Amino acid sequence: AQKVTQAQTEISVVEKEDVTLDCVYETRDTTYYLFWYKQPPSGELVFLIRRNSFDEQNEISGRYSWNFQKSTSSFNFTITASQVVDSAVYFCALSEDKTSYDKVIFGPGTSLSVIP
Amino acid sequence: DAGVIQSPRHEVTEMGQEVTLRCKPISGHNSLFWYRQTMMRGLELLIYFNNNVPIDDSGMPEDRFSAKMPNASFSTLKIQPSEPRDSAVYFCASSLGSINNEQFFGPGTRLTVL
Repeated sequence: AQKVTQAQTEISVVEKEDVTLDCVYETRDTTYYLFWYKQPPSGELVFLIRRNSFDEQNEISGRYSWNFQKSTSSFNFTITASQVVDSAVYFCALSEDKTSYDKVIFGPGTSLSVIP
Repeated sequence: DAGVIQSPRHEVTEMGQEVTLRCKPISGHNSLFWYRQTMMRGLELLIYFNNNVPIDDSGMPEDRFSAKMPNASFSTLKIQPSEPRDSAVYFCASSLGSINNEQFFGPGTRLTVL
């Protein structure tokens, strides 16, 4: 069965600190996709990144970076030099696309507060 | 381009009343998703349409919930009769392609059932 775990419910950091949000997933399939979404206080979810199960290259986009490790079934998200605007709830998600079913599951989210 | 449009943004109703939530996906997107977000259960996928056809409705909580997509530019989620436990934020999202592609979310409808 699919499962996405984000063990950190809430994190608080001081501005300019680095912070890593953890995501651990479970799936029996070899083909799957992982996502991160951001939900700022305004409420609308915003897509950040997608990664397929065959691409373990880490990715960097500005202050954001993602570390995908199949060996530990983890897809962690790091924000470098955090800013107040990074305060949001961050969701990790897993999807599978099979002939018999399509599923997408979101983790419970990690609420990040960046304190000025 | 306009993003995903949802209406109404807020809905307050009394238990037993029918509620209809509306969604207009991004033009050209062929997949549409309805989600429910609550503090207790987080973000749950209710139903997923591809090319206007429901692909997976296993997340629909019970028969009181129904969803339709009569054409590529419009979808509804109906709750009849509504109950207080249906109070939540309901999001619609759309994407180009399958469930494995990035989704663009609407602003959500905050539903309160008294």
